[in-house]
Amino acid sequence: KNQVEQSPQSLIILEGKNCTLQCNYTVSPFSNLRWYKQDTGRGPVSLTIMTFSENTKSNRRYTATLDADTKQSSLHITASQLSDSASYICVVSESRNDYKLSFGAGTTVTVRA
Amino acid sequence: KAGVTQTPRYLIKTRGQQVTLSCSPISGHRSVSWYQQTPGQGLQFLFEYFSETQRNKGNFPGRFSGRQFSNSRSEMNVSTLELGDSALYLCASSLGLGSGTDTQYFGPGTRLTVL
Repeated sequence: KNQVEQSPQSLIILEGKNCTLQCNYTVSPFSNLRWYKQDTGRGPVSLTIMTFSENTKSNRRYTATLDADTKQSSLHITASQLSDSASYICVVSESRNDYKLSFGAGTTVTVRA
Repeated sequence: KAGVTQTPRYLIKTRGQQVTLSCSPISGHRSVSWYQQTPGQGLQFLFEYFSETQRNKGNFPGRFSGRQFSNSRSEMNVSTLELGDSALYLCASSLGLGSGTDTQYFGPGTRLTVL
């Protein structure tokens, strides 16, 4: 069973609208949680990294939240743009081994004009 | 500063052959990690090299191997290719500090097709 579950699997939103992606994990012990954006045909690009003590972090129009108690994270996209169309991947690492990463399957976001 | 580069970008092989993929990390980065990405399985961790030593390893068979050179460049080798090895192979480099904020920078990937 995957230790990182993302929802929804895909979503379509209109340009200018907001959306929120969810990530639930069971990885333990927890070190940090990362959100990546992957455009079609390209490698993932890091959006945010949050450690246990952080509960929110922003990167331009992307805001990630983390609740380490409930093991949930969300990525909020504000005022979406066509360039936001991509796959968003949630990645969790264990504190014992920072490079043992567990990946979610990703949420595919399509922004339409 | 140049990003992570991977060569070749595309590769077609037949079952039973072997393949070597190359990754050049960002200058100054000492850690290189390799990942396999398929539509069905998503991203899966293969292994990580730091200072020419394999530091971490995922759950892949021994057909998948790698190495890192003194200039931090890394190669990944897959022997006796199987149809299921068709995937996008990504490498990522980082400083390798092992801290919670050590950002990984991904290359564009090598698309391997096994016929």
